[in-house]
Amino acid sequence: QITLKESGPTLVKPTQTLTLTCTFSGFSLSTSGLGVGWFRQPPGKALEWLALIYWNDDKRYSPSLRSRLTLTKDTSKNQVVLTMTNMDPVDTATYFCAHTSILGVPRGYDPWGQGTLATVSS
Amino acid sequence: SSELTQDPAVSVALGQTVRITCQGDSLRNYHASWYQQTPGQAPVLVIYDRNKRPSGIPDRFSGSGSGNTASLTITGAQAEDEADYYCHSRDNSGHPVLFGGGTMLTVL
Repeated sequence: QITLKESGPTLVKPTQTLTLTCTFSGFSLSTSGLGVGWFRQPPGKALEWLALIYWNDDKRYSPSLRSRLTLTKDTSKNQVVLTMTNMDPVDTATYFCAHTSILGVPRGYDPWGQGTLATVSS
Repeated sequence: SSELTQDPAVSVALGQTVRITCQGDSLRNYHASWYQQTPGQAPVLVIYDRNKRPSGIPDRFSGSGSGNTASLTITGAQAEDEADYYCHSRDNSGHPVLFGGGTMLTVL
């Protein structure tokens, strides 16, 4: 059974850097074809894809946020870390991570973590 | 184009059939997945590879697609199907990074 869980600060000040960790179980990010994606959802708004890291350390970022995002993985800890710099109140959102695989039948992102709310406020 | 477009809102009478659509050029090359999200919850995959249901998803959910359009159909909508639905596909490079803006489904 695959599970993922996001963790990080609930409150961040404007201009600070947000660091979020996705800790997962049930798969290894050293397995060919697997990846972990990050998403966010401001209160009452739509889901937004942010970034994706693959087993081979290949990374993809949202074009609109590329300059502010960094993804790293620690395969030994089964963790993926997303950092977002220069936080602004408009970045207040619930942040999700999710498992994906690009091999075989495309299954999209499944499953997802429960999400973690990060509020940006002074 | 690197976008997927969905109608913002759709409504359906209880027990009736509703179709939620998604349009985008990437759908000509890659099959869509669909996610259901209820308030306060994480998205749940309900359809993948255009028309496949993960285990545990009721068979009233089905998917289809042709050309640049993908559709999610709920046959006999239930009150618990009231949710936001997002379509998803791959970009021109094959990366699973495209999402629609979501459709809010209201069951009347």
